[in-house]
Amino acid sequence: EPEVTQTPSHQVTQMGQEVILRCVPISNHLYFYWYRQILGQKVEFLVSFYNNEISEKSEIFDDQFSVERPDGSNFTLKIRSTKLEDSAMYFCASSATWGPLQGGANVLTFGAGSRLTVL
Amino acid sequence: QKEVEQDPGPLSVPEGAIVSLNCTYSNSAFQYFMWYRQYSRKGPELLMYTYSSGNKEDGRFTAQVDKSSKYISLFIRDSQPSDSATYLCALTSGTYKYIFGTGTRLKVLA
Repeated sequence: EPEVTQTPSHQVTQMGQEVILRCVPISNHLYFYWYRQILGQKVEFLVSFYNNEISEKSEIFDDQFSVERPDGSNFTLKIRSTKLEDSAMYFCASSATWGPLQGGANVLTFGAGSRLTVL
Repeated sequence: QKEVEQDPGPLSVPEGAIVSLNCTYSNSAFQYFMWYRQYSRKGPELLMYTYSSGNKEDGRFTAQVDKSSKYISLFIRDSQPSDSATYLCALTSGTYKYIFGTGTRLKVLA
């Protein structure tokens, strides 16, 4: 079964350092997303991306965050200068299409996550 | 009032029990309702989704939506130890900006 692959599975970094989290979405999917989950809290939407541009972002996704699709297979999340409160599990997701869910074909498929620990 | 509320549990049940998991929400714009299952150290995995009010059944799982009460449920029949996981409700008005509940941790005892 096709899956979303994320690397690294766990990254430890010092506060103020730049971090890049990588994702390989499902190959025929066109829409990409990042969500995050702070330990013990709910999964939160960060950003959606389509056609090489951000289509929607949350208030969490400030200037410290950026996303990129550097080639035909990878989708990255960069945090420019990490803060302690950025420590979380970051989930990449992809979907085949946009719009209302129909027949189960448009749902998000999530990766296993990248755990980021900022010291 | 939080947009989506979900009892975090943990909920422990014996094998074979019927499990009821619930979420309440406040935003009447939500039209699509999903249940995800998340095993430890894994990403959320879609179990079921429903549109509008009513019931939907898939094997041992039944999803129920009552839009008038802003209340959604997931029932698991004949629960198995392999069902032990965290169950997340997720709601959306139609975009992929999902609003998740905090998740209910379920443990099914053999």
